Amino acid sequence: AQSVTQLGSHVSVSEGALVLLRCNYSSSVPPYLFWYVQYPNQGLQLLLKYTSAATLVKGINGFEAEFKKSETSFHLTKPSAHMSDAAEYFCAVSLGAAGNKLTFGGGTRVLVKP
Amino acid sequence: DTGVSQDPRHKITKRGQNVTFRCDPISEHNRLYWYRQTLGQGPEFLTYFQNEAQLEKSRLLSDRFSAERPKGSFSTLEIQRTEQGDSAMYLCASSGVDRLQETQYFGPGTRLLVL
Repeated sequence: AQSVTQLGSHVSVSEGALVLLRCNYSSSVPPYLFWYVQYPNQGLQLLLKYTSAATLVKGINGFEAEFKKSETSFHLTKPSAHMSDAAEYFCAVSLGAAGNKLTFGGGTRVLVKP
Repeated sequence: DTGVSQDPRHKITKRGQNVTFRCDPISEHNRLYWYRQTLGQGPEFLTYFQNEAQLEKSRLLSDRFSAERPKGSFSTLEIQRTEQGDSAMYLCASSGVDRLQETQYFGPGTRLLVL
């Protein structure tokens, strides 16, 4: 079984400031981890993924995430927020080679202030 | 590559009616997934297919729900005797290009409102 916890359902940042979204997971096997972004009334777009290669993963739109096994975390960061980053972000886990069903966290809505 | 498409994008129905949604995956993908997303929540897994075989169903998928993928291409999700609690966004995803088939690509979703 697997689960995901995203700390903070809402995050407000100023344009140009650091974006940090927290994700902690639990998994009975080595996990695959994902971050997706969702804009209003749209589906989910993949930002980045971890599949047991490099622990620091770079994604699209300047986002990156670091897999820390000891902390069971996969936090998402972006050095400088842009107005277009306003959206909802979801962390998800799958059981890696053991299966592909995604289990999502509850999401974090990001508001970017000018 | 035209991406995952879903039809309709929006559906309003009255309680007790049946509804059917369609998903067309990315053409070379052999896995197809259905998720449900209620307001303010993350998506929840419903079921998935490998080619035409339905390999896993969530306990969320009550007997009023049925999904098919008859020829291993498009899929349909039918909800019979809809209830107000069925109001949600229904998301379809497909995977299959990556060696481990781990990356799921999502469609735009079908938003269902049951009155």
